[in-house]
Amino acid sequence: QKEVEQDPGPLSVPEGAIVSLNCTYSNSAFQYFMWYRQYSRKGPELLMYTYSSGNKEDGRFTAQVDKSSKYISLFIRDSQPSDSATYLCAMIPTGANSKLTFGKGITLSVRP
Amino acid sequence: EPEVTQTPSHQVTQMGQEVILRCVPISNHLYFYWYRQILGQKVEFLVSFYNNEISEKSEIFDDQFSVERPDGSNFTLKIRSTKLEDSAMYFCASSEGRQFFGPGTRLTVL
Repeated sequence: QKEVEQDPGPLSVPEGAIVSLNCTYSNSAFQYFMWYRQYSRKGPELLMYTYSSGNKEDGRFTAQVDKSSKYISLFIRDSQPSDSATYLCAMIPTGANSKLTFGKGITLSVRP
Repeated sequence: EPEVTQTPSHQVTQMGQEVILRCVPISNHLYFYWYRQILGQKVEFLVSFYNNEISEKSEIFDDQFSVERPDGSNFTLKIRSTKLEDSAMYFCASSEGRQFFGPGTRLTVL
């Protein structure tokens, strides 16, 4: 079983839709959970950062972590064409400065 | 807003040649990383660096790779003898608890 699995996509939604992106993981040592956004041939850009279980909201974005199910989600409300990108989940075990383990990423396209 | 910068943006080299990829981390960060992303694949960890020494490295980071912080600002990744399979995007990141990535260097090995 891969350490971090992410729905492969791609995903296409109309503008204004609510988007749900998900990752599962197998390593129970993961404590820090991140979502990065990556535009084509660019570096990953940190979107959301969560420690342990719970929800975190930032504008149109909500990150959710369920450690009991080893499942994390990113919700995008009122999606915009500018949200079209690849979304990567990433995780770190104890020690916030340890290496990131990434999911493969899902490409989202928001149609005007 | 401070950001991680990387040079060059694109490097083309012949198999067997040495390349040096350069990064300028965010100035008050203490942890530095190199990751790579082969086209169509996931971002993979290569090495982390703290207090002027390697703190962790992956199995990918073999003897062909080395890292250095030659002065107070630059952080470099050297590949001694490039192979075709080294072709990838290489990302530098720096951290103060959250990792911020540079725009990447696209390495093409011919």
